Amino acid sequence: QKEVEQNSGPLSVPEGAIASLNCTYSDRVSQSFFWYRQYSGKSPELIMSIYSNGDKEDGRFTAQLNKASQYVSLLIRDSQPSDSATYLCAVNHRDSGAGSYQLTFGKGTKLSVIP
Amino acid sequence: KAGVTQTPRYLIKTRGQQVTLSCSPISGHRSVSWYQQTPGQGLQFLFEYFSETQRNKGNFPGRFSGRQFSNSRSEMNVSTLELGDSALYLCASSPSGGPSGNTIYFGEGSWLTVV
Repeated sequence: QKEVEQNSGPLSVPEGAIASLNCTYSDRVSQSFFWYRQYSGKSPELIMSIYSNGDKEDGRFTAQLNKASQYVSLLIRDSQPSDSATYLCAVNHRDSGAGSYQLTFGKGTKLSVIP
Repeated sequence: KAGVTQTPRYLIKTRGQQVTLSCSPISGHRSVSWYQQTPGQGLQFLFEYFSETQRNKGNFPGRFSGRQFSNSRSEMNVSTLELGDSALYLCASSPSGGPSGNTIYFGEGSWLTVV
């Protein structure tokens, strides 16, 4: 069974600091990786996708991927109270039985940004 | 472009009843996935449909079923409801799925309470 692991938190950081969220996955051949943000009572919204090793930056967000270590991270610079949410890591992997691709989600890390 | 639309947004059912949830994907998206989200288990994959065919299925009992219509709209049904079925049911759509094209976009979800 393909697994995606995240530290459940809560992770508390002061406003303006860098928040670092981590994710590991079990399927070595996974090819695409996503970060979603979910506010309480709302549905997940896509923040970042990353497919190649290295860093990908989008505004205050940077996704980092290391396929050799099976590790994905999300850095949030200049954290704001509005960033307080649960962050979900998702990994796309091939279901060998079905021959199709499926996203598996971690259980999420709850981030609190303290003003 | 309109997002993923789910109906109904909130519903309360009694144990033993059945429920049908509806999802209209983003225009042009042919893949529709369904997820169940609970506080304890996180986001769990139910099934995925593509071109009216179930392409992938998660580890849920047969009481959970779904279908997709020719216009890509999808429905999921849960029969003989149990208290443990109380959850947020999320529909997500993507253009086609696949190894690096499986970015999914979620609807607002249907909150089901079983009493």
